[in-house]
Amino acid sequence: EAQVTQNPRYLITVTGKKLTVTCSQNMNHEYMSWYRQDPGLGLRQIYYSMNVEVTDKGDVPEGYKVSRKEKRNFPLILESPSPNQTSLYFCASSLSYGSYEQYFGPGTRLTVT
Amino acid sequence: DAKTTQPPSMDCAEGRAANLPCNHSTISGNEYVYWYRQIHSQGPQYIIHGLKNNETNEMASLIITEDRKSSTLILPHATLRDTAVYYCIALNPNTGNQFYFGTGTSLTVIP
Repeated sequence: EAQVTQNPRYLITVTGKKLTVTCSQNMNHEYMSWYRQDPGLGLRQIYYSMNVEVTDKGDVPEGYKVSRKEKRNFPLILESPSPNQTSLYFCASSLSYGSYEQYFGPGTRLTVT
Repeated sequence: DAKTTQPPSMDCAEGRAANLPCNHSTISGNEYVYWYRQIHSQGPQYIIHGLKNNETNEMASLIITEDRKSSTLILPHATLRDTAVYYCIALNPNTGNQFYFGTGTSLTVIP
């Protein structure tokens, strides 16, 4: 089944404890991205990747890192999480940048205390 | 990319057509109109997109005005499962710019 998977789905952590949210797609997509969603603010893009080893900042990249070493994986790294990073996170992929259809993962709900 | 404006919320009776408007008065000639929806904290789902002509697929119809300053997404026979937030996005896919989802329209289908 073609899909985007994220792990974990739910995470409660403490301020400053490094964490990684994994994202993987099995559709051989070139383009991947991360979004966060907060009440009243809609979906905001954090980082995106046009292809392996090519990443760029989205609208809200502060406090996040990403890497794209393999085409299928695009992990989101929070080196020192803070409470303002409590949010719902979505990973997405598409065949290439500009493809009309992005496929989204199920979401990761992160709480930083 | 053109800014889009959508009403924050709408209701629709089950079985009736749901017409969701989107204003994109500053849209340029190369910008497409895309529609996605998000059902209760799930990942957004692509619905339809178009440039100039009206489009229809198994999920919905997209009506774009002749001047392209606005569009309407039509769900012909709304069901309770269509209750979701609907996002209208204007984007030129060849510019390198990214999808901007905004806050969308929250559609509630009423039994």
